[in-house]
Amino acid sequence: LAKTTQPISMDSYEGQEVNITCSHNNIATNDYITWYQQFPSQGPRFIIQGYKTKVTNEVASLFIPADRKSSTLSLPRVSLSDTAVYYCLVGDGTGGYNKLIFGAGTRLAVHP
Amino acid sequence: NAGVMQNPRHLVRRRGQEARLRCSPMKGHSHVYWYRQLPEEGLKFMVYLQKENIIDESGMPKERFSAEFPKEGPSILRIQQVVRGDSAAYFCASSPGTGDETQYFGPGTRLLVL
Repeated sequence: LAKTTQPISMDSYEGQEVNITCSHNNIATNDYITWYQQFPSQGPRFIIQGYKTKVTNEVASLFIPADRKSSTLSLPRVSLSDTAVYYCLVGDGTGGYNKLIFGAGTRLAVHP
Repeated sequence: NAGVMQNPRHLVRRRGQEARLRCSPMKGHSHVYWYRQLPEEGLKFMVYLQKENIIDESGMPKERFSAEFPKEGPSILRIQQVVRGDSAAYFCASSPGTGDETQYFGPGTRLLVL
């Protein structure tokens, strides 16, 4: 699975848009990009997944440039409850399953 | 539709005892994954199972750890003769196994070995 690199931490304020960029220079043709959110003492929660261009759901948007060597998770108008660790993962589910490899993630702190 | 269930949520064991962690996947999901998370670290893959089969156990320690997913009932992660280094949060995830391999995680079991 491709290695990912993302900032260790970020700070923001309520109501702002937050963009977290992840680098995955060695992404393979079949790899999808997936983001998870984890609150303290809870399991990771699936946020969004994409392959190319832009994906949007009720929680976030995911922007993927044409070369797919990076991706940006965009959280619109964050609130205090968005304070969490955000993980970027890539994988293709080869063999019919996906052995997720988590890095250290990005610790987002949202301030009043 | 209930999510992934794990129990117990907290487990305290003394060195040398056995720990049994249970995971009930989401309804309709036939694939189960176990991960371990140490404080301030990301999750580490341990094992992937389908009903009655261990498919990938490349992340499992060679000794003392075992996992099963019987035809009926929850998946079990068993740790025999626990040591202090086994203290961690253990998360279970399930996926549909129908081409969509998105994993949905349970709340985890926090194991403390005294």
